[in-house]
Amino acid sequence: DSGVTQTPKHLITATGQRVTLRCSPRSGDLSVYWYQQSLDQGLQFLIQYYNGEERAKGNILERFSAQQFPDLHSELNLSSLELGDSALYFCASSLGTAPYEQYFGPGTRLTVT
Amino acid sequence: KNEVEQSPQNLTAQEGEFITINCSYSVGISALHWLQQHPGGGIVSLFMLSSGKKKHGRLIATINIQEKHSSLHITASHPRDSAVYICAVYNNNDMRFGAGTRLTVKP
Repeated sequence: DSGVTQTPKHLITATGQRVTLRCSPRSGDLSVYWYQQSLDQGLQFLIQYYNGEERAKGNILERFSAQQFPDLHSELNLSSLELGDSALYFCASSLGTAPYEQYFGPGTRLTVT
Repeated sequence: KNEVEQSPQNLTAQEGEFITINCSYSVGISALHWLQQHPGGGIVSLFMLSSGKKKHGRLIATINIQEKHSSLHITASHPRDSAVYICAVYNNNDMRFGAGTRLTVKP
């Protein structure tokens, strides 16, 4: 158990809908990272927050947004969902800004039908 | 050409064999991670390296910054080592991932 929690574990929704994925980092960790893992693209870095502020941006679509709250949990919002957004979404946390070791959550499997 | 290349893509070994997985990258990096992804999907960070060599149990990771190459070695492999091993490089607040090496260790 990494100490990082993600909810929900599974999510099935229709195209055009909006969903929110939640991540709670390990106790004491200030950074949260979001990643997408799809069958055709592999793992991709989406975005990083550090202590409530956006720190780094990767391949995150404009339809996606994230935030980190004062209690350090983070939410990833996905809107106008498309079939291609079906993937595993992982969050990870680390003590500070990279390159610290990251601890991964169990992931949320999103299926868009 | 991908910025992070792993080889081999697939690897099958007999229990007890010495395993090597390679990672080459084409960008400057500040750190390299080796990740293990189990069949159930969970990801565990095995190592983070910026130079030299690290060892944890039967796992050894090395990195050669000049040659832009890292290797992950597993000594005395065991069926429970069966997983996908992923190399990830960190550069300028961005992480890039290799496609992964699927390792199967047979008893």
